[in-house]
Amino acid sequence: DTEVTQTPKHLVMGMTNKKSLKCEQHMGHRAMYWYKQKAKKPPELMFVYSYEKLSINESVPSRFSPECPNSSLLNLHLHALQPEDSALYLCASSQDPVLRAGEKLFFGSGTQLSVL
Amino acid sequence: KQEVTQIPAALSVPEGENLVLNCSFTDSAIYNLQWFRQDPGKGLTSLLLIQSSQREQTSGRLNASLDKSSGRSTLYIAASQPGDSATYLCAVYSGGGADGLTFGKGTHLIIQP
Repeated sequence: DTEVTQTPKHLVMGMTNKKSLKCEQHMGHRAMYWYKQKAKKPPELMFVYSYEKLSINESVPSRFSPECPNSSLLNLHLHALQPEDSALYLCASSQDPVLRAGEKLFFGSGTQLSVL
Repeated sequence: KQEVTQIPAALSVPEGENLVLNCSFTDSAIYNLQWFRQDPGKGLTSLLLIQSSQREQTSGRLNASLDKSSGRSTLYIAASQPGDSATYLCAVYSGGGADGLTFGKGTHLIIQP
């Protein structure tokens, strides 16, 4: 199984809603990531979870909060989002967080989020 | 700070043509370079990964080359097919975990039947 599974595929939410994005991998990978991608732009790293430690891109607002219930799951909780947060949210995983040995990133299909 | 540039931003060619996508990066101190494919509204799929010590990698009709000293990589697609239509992104890894992975903006490729 070389899949990273993301749910839901599409999400529309209001600015006062609370929602969660889910990501799961069963490849035994030790690192998982959340990326945000706006149209015609490259992915931007939001969070890294590896070896039970969370690393946060300091530019990510607190209305995004990751949660790692176990080594196979990485959720992204959303609260009080803004319309500019509308984007494709991608989850990825790799065998090791240190990528210099040629570790590939495996991406999920993404969640297309629209904030009204 | 590493910067990755991909040229052209968009390309449309008839089916069957061979084509070249270009990627350049500003800091040659990299560990590896990857080419990804992304279909509209979908995730990224890794196509080829070239370590800094390698010159090229091949997979089927795809060939990627790396000239680390000049900060350039090319992705060559032979005998293009409509199914090759997608956005192709180049990413260089400069170390430090996923923070060190820098993506280009991609080349949007359309293969006309």
